[in-house]
Amino acid sequence: EDQVTQSPEALRLQEGESSSLNCSYTVSGLRGLFWYRQDPGKGPEFLFTLYSAGEEKEKERLKATLTKKESFLHITAPKPEDSATYLCAVQEAAGNKLTFGGGTRVLVKP
Amino acid sequence: DVKVTQSSRYLVKRTGEKVFLECVQDMDHENMFWYRQDPGLGLRLIYFSYDVKMKEKGDIPEGYSVSREKKERFSLILESASTNQTSMYLCASTRRKGSTGELFFGEGSRLTVL
Repeated sequence: EDQVTQSPEALRLQEGESSSLNCSYTVSGLRGLFWYRQDPGKGPEFLFTLYSAGEEKEKERLKATLTKKESFLHITAPKPEDSATYLCAVQEAAGNKLTFGGGTRVLVKP
Repeated sequence: DVKVTQSSRYLVKRTGEKVFLECVQDMDHENMFWYRQDPGLGLRLIYFSYDVKMKEKGDIPEGYSVSREKKERFSLILESASTNQTSMYLCASTRRKGSTGELFFGEGSRLTVL
């Protein structure tokens, strides 16, 4: 059974304090790994897709990387508006099943 | 801009009532999904559809049904609501046939069953 584990569950940062979120996964063949951002009371918003180990994607202060067992979402010099829950999901190669992790709640204080 | 619209943001229903949750997308997407999101359990897939009139069970279909009469509309039906169906319900769609990873989500419908 596919498993996706995100750590830490929650992260409190000072504005400007860079950090990384982890998404480790177990899947029998990876089709893609996806990162989402979710603000309180709203639906998730798609951020990135990563397909193969060594791939990196960037958007503003966010950078996602992928290895064979895990993905990292690096937040560089975060601002309060980066406060959100970040979700990762993996899609197995055989079939279209998408499995979500439990998310990391990030709070950036000014 | 891509838009997935869920008809109700907040609903309060009584046990045993029939509940309809409506979702409309304006992107001509073929794939549509219904998830529920609960603290500690994450996002779980209820039903999905790759085409009009077509539906497939997800991981937790019990107690739910769906309808897709038009490409842009995907409805989730709770035939007889129960308290354990209190949850945030999220509709999503994707543009490519068979591609389910890059989802566009609606704002969510928070259902409370008393």
